[in-house]
Amino acid sequence: DVKVTQSSRYLVKRTGEKVFLECVQDMDHENMFWYRQDPGLGLRLIYFSYDVKMKEKGDIPEGYSVSREKKERFSLILESASTNQTSMYLCASSLVSKRHFGELFFGEGSRLTVL
Amino acid sequence: QKEVEQNSGPLSVPEGAIASLNCTYSDRGSQSFFWYRQYSGKSPELIMFIYSNGDKEDGRFTAQLNKASQYVSLLIRDSQPSDSATYLCAVKATGGSYIPTFGRGTSLIVHP
Repeated sequence: DVKVTQSSRYLVKRTGEKVFLECVQDMDHENMFWYRQDPGLGLRLIYFSYDVKMKEKGDIPEGYSVSREKKERFSLILESASTNQTSMYLCASSLVSKRHFGELFFGEGSRLTVL
Repeated sequence: QKEVEQNSGPLSVPEGAIASLNCTYSDRGSQSFFWYRQYSGKSPELIMFIYSNGDKEDGRFTAQLNKASQYVSLLIRDSQPSDSATYLCAVKATGGSYIPTFGRGTSLIVHP
């Protein structure tokens, strides 16, 4: 089974702190994603990576950056956390091939509270 | 702007009934269609995907796709209280696009 592991399930940070959210997948997937999910707003894509060191902005990249130095690891960075970044953050990975149609496999999520 | 629309619900059905969840999409280039289930406080998990017109059945779940009308649906037969969750529809185009577009989800409540 595909396993996507997010480093922290719950975090509480203060405004202005730098926050790292890490995600590791064990199935050699090329594609990795960071979403945030807020009530009533659904899943919103922050950043996407289709290969090592490659990244694309999603719908809401402002205030975030990402790093993908190794294929299995995709990190989300909040340079200076703000209260409006309090949310559930979901990492996902996918593989597109003749047998896979791009279904996403999600990690368990990281609930971040910024005070 | 690619859009995927779902009724937010909640959709309430009695135990044992058929639950019907619907999703429409705007991008005619969409080729792959996914249904995810998300329990409260948990992350989404894939339950069905479909890419050909018609029906696809897996146990109590049936996905239906009509590309001409641009809708995809999920039927849950013999609904159980454990099916109570939010169901997310996602669509993806082929041709090198790796990013699915998600609907906001439909909340399903199955009451005993």
